Amino acid sequence: SAVISQKPSRDICQRGTSLTIQCQVDSQVTMMFWYRQQPGQSLTLIATANQGSEATYESGFVIDKFPISRPNLTFSTLTVSNMSPEDSSIYLCSVPGLAGTGELFFGEGSRLTVL
Amino acid sequence: AQSVSQHNHHVILSEAASLELGCNYSYGGTVNLFWYVQYPGQHLQLLLKYFSGDPLVKGIKGFEAEFIKSKFSFNLRKPSVQWSDTAEYFCAVSYSSASKIIFGSGTRLSIRP
Repeated sequence: SAVISQKPSRDICQRGTSLTIQCQVDSQVTMMFWYRQQPGQSLTLIATANQGSEATYESGFVIDKFPISRPNLTFSTLTVSNMSPEDSSIYLCSVPGLAGTGELFFGEGSRLTVL
Repeated sequence: AQSVSQHNHHVILSEAASLELGCNYSYGGTVNLFWYVQYPGQHLQLLLKYFSGDPLVKGIKGFEAEFIKSKFSFNLRKPSVQWSDTAEYFCAVSYSSASKIIFGSGTRLSIRP
């Protein structure tokens, strides 16, 4: 299994500001996923971050709003830009398990509250 | 569209009661099915998974789930719940044609001691 660390674990932000969430994995992984879990709702995939290429965004998510960096095989960042209260969510970083299993390992998440 | 449905938003049981949480997925060919659990204050972790073979899969802490292909279902069961099973449970599916996992809306399980 992979150990995933996220920073910050929680933050309170002002409307219109941006916040960058960091995700560090204890092993090298090709793919990293960023999910959002809005209050009372399920996890929604924001994007897939592959090292050495542009992130692939899911429908409804755009790079200008959620820019992602993937500088190496153990680290990624997700920025939530120009935040509004609707962006209040838990943001989760995850990585795949054994090849072909489809299993995911998750970080503890970053809980953002936008005022 | 590919999707996962969990029928119960919040389930409240007494200790020792039996549990069954419903999960249905939309058709999409070959599927891998999962149940994830999130205990209070902890991160999501895998409870059990189905890839192929025996449709009745056993997971950690006495949980099991049965894949019924004809019903597109993967219900989670436990014969006797404990207070420590209080958590949020998510059903999830990945389709062979895609690498991403789609999650259901989750079921919050509360166990009365």
